Amino acid sequence: ILNVEQSPQSLHVQEGDSTNFTCSFPSSNFYALHWYRWETAKSPEALFVMTLNGDEKKKGRISATLNTKEGYSYLYIKGSQPEDSATYLCAFIGFTGNQFYFGTGTSLTVIP
Amino acid sequence: GAGVSQSPSNKVTEKGKDVELRCDPISGHTALYWYRQSLGQGLEFLIYFQGNSAPDKSGLPSDRFSAERTGGSVSTLTIQRTQQEDSAVYLCASSLLEGGDTQYFGPGTRLTVL
Repeated sequence: ILNVEQSPQSLHVQEGDSTNFTCSFPSSNFYALHWYRWETAKSPEALFVMTLNGDEKKKGRISATLNTKEGYSYLYIKGSQPEDSATYLCAFIGFTGNQFYFGTGTSLTVIP
Repeated sequence: GAGVSQSPSNKVTEKGKDVELRCDPISGHTALYWYRQSLGQGLEFLIYFQGNSAPDKSGLPSDRFSAERTGGSVSTLTIQRTQQEDSAVYLCASSLLEGGDTQYFGPGTRLTVL
C-alpha cells in the first residue's frame, strides 16, 4: 500500500489570506501527480496534472509545484475567497499508470 | 457535454442484501475507475477498467465485491451480502486515455447499510 500524505488535514483562513498545503508521496516509480478539488455535494474536479520534476502549474489564483526527487507537491492559493472552500486532494500515480493513490485531503474553509 | 453519471444517488439497504451501483462514463473514455470513501477516510481505489483488457481488481476489499463493464461503456459495481462496513460513498471516474490521464468523476452513490 502506497502512502500519500497531505497536510494539514484542515485549515481555516480569513478571506484574502494566501495559503498553501502539502502532498507527500513516494519518490520512486513516479509517473504523475494530480490535484483535485472536491466541494461538498459535488464531484471531485481536476485542477492540475503534473508529470515533470520542477513543474509549476497555475490556474487563476491557484498554483502548484512538484518535486519528484524528494516526493512532495505544494498547492498555493493566493487571496483566498469563500468559494475556494473545499477539500483538496492529491493523487499519486505510480509507474504502471493504472492506479491512483489518493491522499486523505486538506479541508479548506475560507471565512468571509 | 454530458459528464459521468451514477445511479442511484442514494441507496439504503439491509445487511445481507445485494446491491448494484451503476456508472455511465463520458462517451469515448477508455478508462473507468471505481473508488469508495468511507467516513473520515480518503478515496480508496477499488477497480480499474481499460479498454478490452482484463480489469485491475487489486483494490476490491473482498470477494463480495465485483464489477463489470459492458461494451466498453456502462459499468456496474455489485456488492453481495452487504455489511455495515460497506457503507460509504462510491465514486466512479472515467478518463479519455489510460496511464494517469485526468479523471472525471461522477456525483457518487451514497450507500447506507443498516
